[in-house]
Amino acid sequence: AQSVTQLDSQVPVFEEAPVELRCNYSSSVSVYLFWYVQYPNQGLQLLLKYLSGSTLVESINGFEAEFNKSQTSFHLRKPSVHISDTAEYFCAVSNAGTYKYIFGTGTRLKVLA
Amino acid sequence: DAGVTQSPTHLIKTRGQQVTLRCSPKSGHDTVSWYQQALGQGPQFIFQYYEEEERQRGNFPDRFSGHQFPNYSSELNVNALLLGDSALYLCASSLLPTGTFRLAENTGELFFGEGSRLTVL
Repeated sequence: AQSVTQLDSQVPVFEEAPVELRCNYSSSVSVYLFWYVQYPNQGLQLLLKYLSGSTLVESINGFEAEFNKSQTSFHLRKPSVHISDTAEYFCAVSNAGTYKYIFGTGTRLKVLA
Repeated sequence: DAGVTQSPTHLIKTRGQQVTLRCSPKSGHDTVSWYQQALGQGPQFIFQYYEEEERQRGNFPDRFSGHQFPNYSSELNVNALLLGDSALYLCASSLLPTGTFRLAENTGELFFGEGSRLTVL
């Protein structure tokens, strides 16, 4: 069975500092990987995704994630965070093409001034 | 381009009652999935509808049922509500890849609505 582990429930970081949110998954088949962001009282918004090809994927707002098959990881990074990045971040995995997502428990990123 | 819309946004029910939540998918999408997000948790897959049939189901009891209409919109019904059913219910839409002619449209991405927050007292 597939599973997703987000090792950190909360990550406080100062503004303009770098951050890494960790995600590990387990699956025996080919997978798609996603990071979603959730602001308070809102739904989920896609941040970035890995389907195939280049293992480094980037979002338009400076986040990036690298698919590491040997370590079964898909960590999210940003070199310099802003106050507006404060939110809950969810990692998710799906069997390629099924659209049935398995989500991690989330990491609450709090950016401090 | 209308995104995924859900109604109602908030509702309060008492134990034992029944609730119906509604979802309209993003324009052009034909598959609807429902997720339950308990407070402080990640979303959990309830089920997925395509061509008006339930295609996949997560580990939820039969009290949770759904329906998809010919216009691709969907309803989630929960009977005999329990306190533990209190959660944010998220609807997500996508294109289900059902043949090689659809591979080009297979972005793998789910588009989520804002959710319906259900409180059971």
